[in-house]
Amino acid sequence: GQQVMQIPQYQHVQEGEDFTTYCNSSTTLSNIQWYKQRPGGHPVFLIQLVKSGEVKKQKRLTFQFGEAKKNSSLHITATQTTDVGTYFCAGYTGNQFYFGTGTSLTVIP
Amino acid sequence: DADVTQTPRNRITKTGKRIMLECSQTKGHDRMYWYRQDPGLGLRLIYYSFDVKDINKGEISDGYSVSRQAQAKFSLSLESAIPNQTALYFCATRSDGDTQYFGPGTRLTVL
Repeated sequence: GQQVMQIPQYQHVQEGEDFTTYCNSSTTLSNIQWYKQRPGGHPVFLIQLVKSGEVKKQKRLTFQFGEAKKNSSLHITATQTTDVGTYFCAGYTGNQFYFGTGTSLTVIP
Repeated sequence: DADVTQTPRNRITKTGKRIMLECSQTKGHDRMYWYRQDPGLGLRLIYYSFDVKDINKGEISDGYSVSRQAQAKFSLSLESAIPNQTALYFCATRSDGDTQYFGPGTRLTVL
């Protein structure tokens, strides 16, 4: 069945260091979305990527969608304590979203 | 977002009991989803609906049923709860091509 793998599961960084999480799908996706979930909260939408090879930036966050539309990454430059949380990708195919397992980011001040 | 509400927010029940989780939205979206979240497994889709009376199974529908009697409401039922259904349950809404908006979640514990 459809799977979206996400690595790493956990990441601890010193404040100011960079952070990257990767998603890989077993099948081609129509689009991919990224969400952030703060501890005790619910997932909140960050961005949607639709086109092959697309790159989008939001301040210190850079999102990429692979050429084959099967993989994606989220990169945070110079992490801050406000970046703490779990980041999920969600690949859309066959009228459904398939979520990655998430990467839990801890930022050490 | 207050636009998507879930009740109850927390529930503890016993094995074999029937449980209903409610989701309501004021965003006017036609699409609604139920997910469960377990540590290390991310969010997994249980059921989704694209319109009133439209019901579709997700990845893990066994042991669950849903009802979409109105555009704004989507309820999830566990006919006979079992301990491995202990999880955090999220409802989400969406318009075609749009993002998903999640409710605050319901923490369900089945003893």
